Amino acid sequence: DARVTQTPRHKVTEMGQEVTMRCQPILGHNTVFWYRQTMMQGLELLAYFRNRAPLDDSGMPKDRFSAEMPDATLATLKIQPSEPRDSAVYFCASGLDTLQRNYGYTFGSGTRLTVV
Amino acid sequence: DQQVKQNSPSLSVQEGRISILNCDYTNSMFDYFLWYKKYPAEGPTFLISISSIKDKNEDGRFTVFLNKSAKHLSLHIVPSQPGDSAVYFCAAIRGSGTYKYIFGTGTRLKVLA
Repeated sequence: DARVTQTPRHKVTEMGQEVTMRCQPILGHNTVFWYRQTMMQGLELLAYFRNRAPLDDSGMPKDRFSAEMPDATLATLKIQPSEPRDSAVYFCASGLDTLQRNYGYTFGSGTRLTVV
Repeated sequence: DQQVKQNSPSLSVQEGRISILNCDYTNSMFDYFLWYKKYPAEGPTFLISISSIKDKNEDGRFTVFLNKSAKHLSLHIVPSQPGDSAVYFCAAIRGSGTYKYIFGTGTRLKVLA
């Protein structure tokens, strides 16, 4: 059963520290997303990639967030410096763009980030 | 600017009854809609989708209805089961060649045994 793997599952860090979250998309998927879940906004899109190229990162605070796909098996989301308001659950999702309308994307289990 | 809205944060339903979850949107350019279900400590999982050229799509106990004139969609679960207790998100896509979903804020469904 193919799955999207996210590490770490939980991260507690002090304000000002760098945080890196990792995602291994499902092999063969060509689209990768980063979402953030908050109580007020629900699931917010931060960034997404198609065929490893960044297509849209308008949802990210550019001064502190960065997203990359160094290769097809790894996507990273980095926050530097982290702030308490960044505390949330961060989800990675992957899929095939040709199938996503009928079958959706597959989400990972998320990284719960707490910045103290 | 919340383009996809789920105005009911929570809903409780008796087992065996119908659950109706609602979603409203503001952008008439959305042409595909999806529902996701999310259990605690897990990522959302795809449930069902509907194209804007249809008004109904059914998959087992789950049916999604779309009212384009009202910019409203709903998810019906019949009969509801305790295992359906989860947070349900609706999502919308605008235009072909666009891959990003705009999600609502979610509705927490509790099915009482």
